[in-house]
Amino acid sequence: EDKVVQSPLSLVVHEGDTVTLNCSYEVTNFRSLLWYKQEKKAPTFLFMLTSSGIEKKSGRLSSILDKKELFSILNITATQTGDSAIYLCVTGGGADGLTFGKGTHLIIQP
Amino acid sequence: EAQVTQNPRYLITVTGKKLTVTCSQNMNHEYMSWYRQDPGLGLRQIYYSMNVEVTDKGDVPEGYKVSRKEKRNFPLILESPSPNQTSLYFCASSLRAWEASGNYEQYFGPGTRLTVT
Repeated sequence: EDKVVQSPLSLVVHEGDTVTLNCSYEVTNFRSLLWYKQEKKAPTFLFMLTSSGIEKKSGRLSSILDKKELFSILNITATQTGDSAIYLCVTGGGADGLTFGKGTHLIIQP
Repeated sequence: EAQVTQNPRYLITVTGKKLTVTCSQNMNHEYMSWYRQDPGLGLRQIYYSMNVEVTDKGDVPEGYKVSRKEKRNFPLILESPSPNQTSLYFCASSLRAWEASGNYEQYFGPGTRLTVT
């Protein structure tokens, strides 16, 4: 059975801290891994990763994939209260096409 | 503007009263999908459609129906809603289900919060 496990499930930090969100997966016919940010609305796309070891960056956010160890991390540096959200890890591949993690609920305190 | 729209955004209804949540995309996407999101369970796929007239069950299809008569529309039908279908529903679309490049980026609708009493 395909699965995506995110950790931690919930995280509270202070503004300015750096956080690392983890995503491990077991997926048949893996094609790609995607990160989404979800606030009080629909998820918005952050990154798509298909190759190991190549870091994707967007401002204070970065992500990398390790296809040998089957995990990805999402880093957020100099966190701001606007980073508070649920971060979803999703893998593409497998019988049904997409497998969702349960998300990491990140809370940034001022 | 490329977008996925859902209607209604909020709905409170009673057990057994048939309802339809509409979903429409303007990007000529082949693949469309419905998800429900519940606390502690994350996003779960209800039904998906690879193209017009092609639909298939996701992880939690019981109690739901869908149709795909046109490329742009993918309505979700609850023939006889029950309280356990109270949830937040998202419609999503992408160019195709999967491609050689593995480009799965999905565009999500704004969500429909459904309460069944």
